[in-house]
Amino acid sequence: GENVEQHPSTLSVQEGDSAVIKCTYSDSASNYFPWYKQELGKRPQLIIDIRSNVGEKKDQRIAVTLNKTAKHFSLHITETQPEDSAVYFCAASIGSSASKIIFGSGTRLSIRP
Amino acid sequence: DTAVSQTPKYLVTQMGNDKSIKCEQNLGHDTMYWYKQDSKKFLKIMFSYNNKELIINETVPNRFSPKSPDKAHLNLHINSLELGDSAVYFCASSRQGSSYNSPLHFGNGTRLTVT
Repeated sequence: GENVEQHPSTLSVQEGDSAVIKCTYSDSASNYFPWYKQELGKRPQLIIDIRSNVGEKKDQRIAVTLNKTAKHFSLHITETQPEDSAVYFCAASIGSSASKIIFGSGTRLSIRP
Repeated sequence: DTAVSQTPKYLVTQMGNDKSIKCEQNLGHDTMYWYKQDSKKFLKIMFSYNNKELIINETVPNRFSPKSPDKAHLNLHINSLELGDSAVYFCASSRQGSSYNSPLHFGNGTRLTVT
């Protein structure tokens, strides 16, 4: 069935180090992969997205890679800072419809000072 | 100006009651959604409307009834509330084409507590 799996569920890294969060999806028709950051008590907010015609996208300290063959996509955060602490969600569009986006289970990222 | 606004922010009610959550977006988007986020932070899609037409209904109990009076509004009415309905409900909107996805813009959420 439709599924997005996300690992790890929790991640703790030293400030200044890199963090990597990985997701896999089941629907080969998926063509849009956004990542959201949710701070405590706040709404999820888009931080970066990638479409299936691109293998990698970068925005300052954040990068996303996509491997369509393996149905994997990953979020990379470099030079982590305390304000990067949050829950991160990957997501994928499902099927040929442009109106269904399902989310992974989330990764709680903690940055140690 | 808040792009996607939902009210109320908090809702505490007793089992068996009926309640509504309202959502409005001023982004000119044509697709709106309701997502449920449970205590474990799972974000699960419930409904999606495109230009006032229901296009996704994710096996949600029929106690939940969405209503879209126009494409800028999507309300959620819940009948006979149960303890398991306690969660944060997020409204979202996006600009969608027939095969084109764009980012979801979320409201600030409504924390529903059923006692």
